Amino acid sequence: DAKTTQPTSMDCAEGRAANLPCNHSTISGNEYVYWYRQIHSQGPQYIIHGLKNNETNEMASLIITEDRKSSTLILPHATLRDTAVYYCIVRPGGGADGLTFGKGTHLIIQP
Amino acid sequence: GAVVSQHPSRVICKSGTSVKIECRSLDFQATTMFWYRQFPKQSLMLMATSNEGSKATYEQGVEKDKFLINHASLTLSTLTVTSAHPEDSSFYICSAGQGRTYEQYFGPGTRLTVT
Repeated sequence: DAKTTQPTSMDCAEGRAANLPCNHSTISGNEYVYWYRQIHSQGPQYIIHGLKNNETNEMASLIITEDRKSSTLILPHATLRDTAVYYCIVRPGGGADGLTFGKGTHLIIQP
Repeated sequence: GAVVSQHPSRVICKSGTSVKIECRSLDFQATTMFWYRQFPKQSLMLMATSNEGSKATYEQGVEKDKFLINHASLTLSTLTVTSAHPEDSSFYICSAGQGRTYEQYFGPGTRLTVT
């Protein structure tokens, strides 16, 4: 799987949009970008994934650059419950393999 | 969404004993289940891949004789930590998928403490 680079930590004010960047400059053509998050002492939670088009669901939006070398996860209205470690993972779409987690970004939502 | 449960959520055992952790997919059939381990302040590390009806595939550095995995049905996989030692103390998390799936569904994790 291609490697990703994320900032170690970020702060965001409650109610604001949280924008979490991820660099994946060595991503292959068949690899998707996945985002998971892990709230302290819980199992990870799937957020969203995409290939090259921007994606939106009830949790977040995913913006992927045209060259696919980077992406941004957007939480439109962050709440205190969004405080978590966010992992950006690239892997072949629909793959049946386990996930390789990097260090992720520790997002702290400030009241 | 799909739900994966783990039991127990916490366990404390004495050094040298064995501990079994169960992972269940509650509302779907999981052809593949994965086991991860997470040490404090570290990221999740994949330990093994468990396929129903076949032997588990272990990641490099994970001892298959120490971490026994059984995937006897499409809804249950078990991880047994044999002859546990304090260095096995960790957060163990399972996930389940339905064949080629875009999403993996994670359990809530099991905190193992070996004294």
